[in-house]
Amino acid sequence: AQSVAQPEDQVNVAEGNPLTVKCTYSVSGNPYLFWYVQYPNRGLQFLLKYITGDNLVKGSYGFEAEFNKSQTSFHLKKPSALVSDSALYFCAVRDMYNFNKFYFGSGTKLNVKP
Amino acid sequence: KAGVTQTPRYLIKTRGQQVTLSCSPISGHRSVSWYQQTPGQGLQFLFEYFSETQRNKGNFPGRFSGRQFSNSRSEMNVSTLELGDSALYLCASSLHQGEGDTEAFFGQGTRLTVV
Repeated sequence: AQSVAQPEDQVNVAEGNPLTVKCTYSVSGNPYLFWYVQYPNRGLQFLLKYITGDNLVKGSYGFEAEFNKSQTSFHLKKPSALVSDSALYFCAVRDMYNFNKFYFGSGTKLNVKP
Repeated sequence: KAGVTQTPRYLIKTRGQQVTLSCSPISGHRSVSWYQQTPGQGLQFLFEYFSETQRNKGNFPGRFSGRQFSNSRSEMNVSTLELGDSALYLCASSLHQGEGDTEAFFGQGTRLTVV
C-alpha cells in the first residue's frame, strides 16, 4: 500500500527566510510523488512532481523538492519565503496501479510572517 | 484553456436529502476523479471515471455514486445525506489513464453543508 506522511501540522517562517515542508512516503516500488498547494476556499494547485531522474525537482512559484530514496522523503523547499506563500500544502503519492488515484498527506499549514 | 469547473460552489442541504454535484474537466481530459476533504479525515479518494466507466472506487458507502457522460463531464450523487457528509468535494481531471507522470488538475470544489 502507498502512503505519505506530513509530520508537521504547521510551519512558521519569517518572510525572506528559507522554508521546508516535510514529507515522507511509503510505497512498494518506485514512487510517483507530488506537491499541491491549497489556498482558502480553493481547490488544489499543482506545484511539482517527481517521477524519475534528478533528485532535485523544480516547480512553480520558486518551489523545489528534494527526493531522498534512502530516507524515503520528499521535502518541499523554497530559498526565500513570501507572505503570499502562506497556504496549506499537501504531499501526495500516486497509486502504483491506478494512476489517477492519489494518496494525500494530512497537510501542513505554512505561515509566513512579514 | 479553461480549468476544471465544479458547480455549484456552495450547497446547503438537509439531512436525508440527496445532492448532485457536477464537474467539467479540462477540454480533452478523459479521466475524472472525485475526492472528499474534511478537517478530520483529510483528502479521501471517492472514485474515478474514464471513458464513462468507473475504474476505481474508494472506501465510501453506496450512498455515494457517480457517473460520467460522453463529453467527459462527471456528476457525483450523495443520497440520504448525513451530517458527516459535510465537506469540500473536489474533482480532478487528467489527460490519460495509465500515465504515471501526468499530474491531476483540481477544480475549486463544492462546499457541501448538511444541516
